[in-house]
Amino acid sequence: GESVGLHLPTLSVQEGDNSIINCAYSNSASDYFIWYKQESGKGPQFIIDIRSNMDKRQGQRVTVLLNKTVKHLSLQIAATQPGDSAVYFCAENPLEGKFYFGSGTKLNVKP
Amino acid sequence: DTEVTQTPKHLVMGMTNKKSLKCEQHMGHRAMYWYKQKAKKPPELMFVYSYEKLSINESVPSRFSPECPNSSLLNLHLHALQPEDSALYLCASSLRVQSNYGYTFGSGTRLTVV
Repeated sequence: GESVGLHLPTLSVQEGDNSIINCAYSNSASDYFIWYKQESGKGPQFIIDIRSNMDKRQGQRVTVLLNKTVKHLSLQIAATQPGDSAVYFCAENPLEGKFYFGSGTKLNVKP
Repeated sequence: DTEVTQTPKHLVMGMTNKKSLKCEQHMGHRAMYWYKQKAKKPPELMFVYSYEKLSINESVPSRFSPECPNSSLLNLHLHALQPEDSALYLCASSLRVQSNYGYTFGSGTRLTVV
């Protein structure tokens, strides 16, 4: 989703449930994508990446899906834990050296 | 060492001050970046250095002046800033500028301009 004013879109999930965070990217020339997690007071932390020649990639508890037709990325987190609470950004790489970040989604995990 | 270290963590400066932000990495990365992040917004690219040379300037005002004295250090010199420049300034590095290499970010310097 897109942020409006000072409000980040927020996804609230129960601990143990699966989470799905979505991102629409803008540039069809982008060939590399990354999901980052940013906790309060910290810099973004790499979670998982995917190249444009793939449509799915799995990590530990996380899966990224890429749909190039509609320029859409999603991050799936299995068995969400309180430590997963953070803001999640997707980032696209349309040109060498440039990564552009999406607007972000705040994940709130309820115990 | 797998970290990007930024100093100071917090900085308060007046509009007539000159200050510098510092960033250091010892991972052998040859690409380094400055990003600016306002509250509840995504990071915005400012500068890209590749092999110690400035390769991208995203039309950043001249009151921000980057410097890369060697392959491990990246500075951001600040002069005559405005209150709207208050933000979290993030440094990042990657193995190379070319795509397919993710960034490692520092924890940032939280800058307040008064």
